[in-house]
Parts: sequence; structure tokens; C-alpha cells
Amino acid sequence: AQKITQTQPGMFVQEKEAVTLDCTYDTSDPSYGLFWYKQPSSGEMIFLIYQGSYDQQNATEGRYSLNFQKARKSANLVISASQLGDSAMYFCAMREAWMDSSYKLIFGSGTRLLVRP
Amino acid sequence: NAGVTQTPKFQVLKTGQSMTLQCAQDMNHEYMSWYRQDPGMGLRLIHYSVGAGITDQGEVPNGYNVSRSTTEDFPLRLLSAAPSQTSVYFCASSELAGDRYEQYFGPGTRLTVT
Repeated sequence: AQKITQTQPGMFVQEKEAVTLDCTYDTSDPSYGLFWYKQPSSGEMIFLIYQGSYDQQNATEGRYSLNFQKARKSANLVISASQLGDSAMYFCAMREAWMDSSYKLIFGSGTRLLVRP
Repeated sequence: NAGVTQTPKFQVLKTGQSMTLQCAQDMNHEYMSWYRQDPGMGLRLIHYSVGAGITDQGEVPNGYNVSRSTTEDFPLRLLSAAPSQTSVYFCASSELAGDRYEQYFGPGTRLTVT
């Protein structure tokens, strides 16, 4: 079963508008973490934002915020005031315990965002 | 502070050849891992290490070997390359700070096996 689901393969947004990228997750672990990464066309993976399962408030990092709805198991990324440089692939990931000694990240399939001028 | 470095950036191999992808980090992180990214997909874990001398398999380990003789280096070896191993390979290093587990990724190695 999919542990991280990103249902939007591609999205468009007008420059300066806000956009929400969806992510739902599935875990039975009470302690987990959720991440968003940006992958521009150059290929590198850029960390954007993190939300811990016990965090009471939604995480924010500059223009990025994470809309964390624990009961719904969703962790949507909100980008405010979109810029042309935001055009990229965006991956949602969940930290999951692995082999009792470490953690691994489970990645979703990604959403390609295109910002229109 | 270079972060995570990977070499080479690009590589073309013929089926059956072997090679080693290099990865190094200068952040003194204990955790290091290798992922592969296939077209249109997220990353899948190949192997990981929790410290020098300690490695273990991830989700898709077949056809790959790793070793960790130092904290800094974590090479990935392809034993006998197959076209199914055509992918982009990312090395990552991690620290566990409280509840947070942020992975720092290298720039990736694009591998084509013909």
C-alpha cells in the first residue's frame, strides 16, 4: 500500500498567487516526521520544510507552510506568492523507523509545479 | 563546507560492467544512505549506514554493495550493471536532532546502462 500519496502529477499556478500541493500519508507509528523537498530541473534535492507528528503548530519557513491535519493524515504544502523560480518537482516524504536502528524517508511520486508569468 | 559530494555526475556503462559511485560528506553525520530515482518517481532506498563499519539493506538492494570504512565516505558498488539500473543515484547524509531527521542530499549521479 502507498505510504505517501501525492495525487496531483502536475499543477499550474499564476505568478504571485498561492498554491497548495497535496500529500496524504499512512503510518501506524505514533512518532513520525513529514518533509517536503523541491527538485528543480537541475536535479538536486532541496529541503523545504519539516513537520513532526507531535508538533502542535503548523510549520512555516518563509513562503512555505505545511498544513498539517493529523486526523486526516494529510500534510499539504502551501506556497504563498509564487515565483517563477518555484517551477520544479515537489516531493512529500515521511520519516519512518527502519530496522530499529535508523530511519528512512519514504517518498511520494511527486507533483510538478509550473508557475506562469 | 562542501556538504555531500558525489562523483561522477554522469556515467555510461555497458551491461555486465562494474563500477563504484563515490559519496563523501564533511558534516560528521553518522547516517548515510543511497537512493535511486527512476523517471516520474520518488526516491527509493538502496542501502544505508548508521556509522563506520555498519551498513544494512534498504528497499531495493539487489545488485548493489556498500561499505563504510570511515565516517566521511560511503561508496556504492554496482557489481554487474544491468539496464534496469539506469537511474539517478542520490547519496544523502543525516543527523538526528531531537525529533527531526533532515537528510542532506548530494547532487546526484546520472547512470545509463546500455
